[in-house]
Amino acid sequence: SQTIHQWPATLVQPVGSPLSLECTVEGTSNPNLYWYRQAAGRGLQLLFYSVGIGQISSEVPQNLSASRPQDRQFILSSKKLLLSDSGFYLCACWTGNYEQYFGPGTRLTVT
Amino acid sequence: DQQVKQNSPSLSVQEGRISILNCDYTNSMFDYFLWYKKYPAEGPTFLISISSIKDKNEDGRFTVFLNKSAKHLSLHIVPSQPGDSAVYFCAADSGGSNYKLTFGKGTLLTVNP
Repeated sequence: SQTIHQWPATLVQPVGSPLSLECTVEGTSNPNLYWYRQAAGRGLQLLFYSVGIGQISSEVPQNLSASRPQDRQFILSSKKLLLSDSGFYLCACWTGNYEQYFGPGTRLTVT
Repeated sequence: DQQVKQNSPSLSVQEGRISILNCDYTNSMFDYFLWYKKYPAEGPTFLISISSIKDKNEDGRFTVFLNKSAKHLSLHIVPSQPGDSAVYFCAADSGGSNYKLTFGKGTLLTVNP
């Protein structure tokens, strides 16, 4: 079965600083990969998804970007963080069964 | 436009009793529904799912009911246990190879000993 790793687990960054969150998947190949954000008091918002290397689809316009340099690596980035970027970021994968599997998440606090 | 709605932000039940979590949807193209359970500072874990061709799916203490005409589904937990205390998310999929899930805002379930 697949395992999803995310790092760092927690991150505190000042406004205007860059961001790079990494997600790697083990135990499967050619998965769909997803980035979600859970903001305080809100549900899970899909930010980006990828069906293959270099293929990124954006769901919500914002100052974040995503990249998939390798089959099992998904990166979420920002050049300049905003206060509103604070939240819990989750990486997920889909391997062909009906459920998506989620990683442990990264808690981002922008100060 | 919120296509998946969980109108109860929280629910509190006694241990041993039934917990019923509700979810409504507006998109008639949704054909597969899932429930996830989430503890604080952890990723959601898959709990149970149901296809639109069924009206009930059961797995141990967990049962999901689907009423397509009402665009409503519910998750029943019987009997409820303190370890069930978590946020429960309802999610829906409309098919396709991208397999994008639309999530509700979640319901915080607290099971009191």
